Amino acid sequence: ENVLTQSPGTLSLSPGERASLSCRASQNVNSNFLAWYQQKPGQAPRLLIYGASSRATGIPDRFSASGSGTDFTLTISRLEPEDFAVYFCQQYGSSPFTFGPGTKVHIK
Amino acid sequence: QVQLQESGPGLVKPSETLSLSCTASGGSISTYYWSWIRQSAGKGLEWIGHISGSGSTSCNPSLKSRVTMSVDTSKNQFSLKLNSLIAADTAVYYCARLRGHLDLWGRGILVTVSS
Repeated sequence: ENVLTQSPGTLSLSPGERASLSCRASQNVNSNFLAWYQQKPGQAPRLLIYGASSRATGIPDRFSASGSGTDFTLTISRLEPEDFAVYFCQQYGSSPFTFGPGTKVHIK
Repeated sequence: QVQLQESGPGLVKPSETLSLSCTASGGSISTYYWSWIRQSAGKGLEWIGHISGSGSTSCNPSLKSRVTMSVDTSKNQFSLKLNSLIAADTAVYYCARLRGHLDLWGRGILVTVSS
């Protein structure tokens, strides 16, 4: 299976700062079928990005993503208070679909 | 706007079978694929499997021998059965709409496996 690792595990930042989150796959992600999700405590994950770089409906443009092959990045250009959460990547290019362990972005 | 709602028991005994349902409101389940995902402190997010509106399935090999999925279009509902439960199956179970990515999630249901 395609194992995803995320770094850093935790990111301490202040509102207004830029966040850069990494997701690395153990094998090429077919067709760049990689998604990013945001999860807040007590809530289900929310889709942010699909196809490595396409924003989901209603997602603000301060969220952007890039990458291909095995290396992918999610960037939040200027952190808003509501952006402090856990972020997961997921590949759906090969079965079984797999998730990364998450990066927690918390307020410094 | 389609919404998903999981239902089922919150507590199940070891060795028993977990039965969960997910009901879709605001849209038909016939058109898409539908997934089950679980989240535990120990294993993070884990894809269990998915089922189409016509009933074709795909499962995570790690769970395949214990998983049964079904769909009931008359009730706009799909279901998961997980047998031979152990403590490690304790998790929040989510249903979600699969479009490759998972674009719509239920709120999740906490299932605890304990005697």
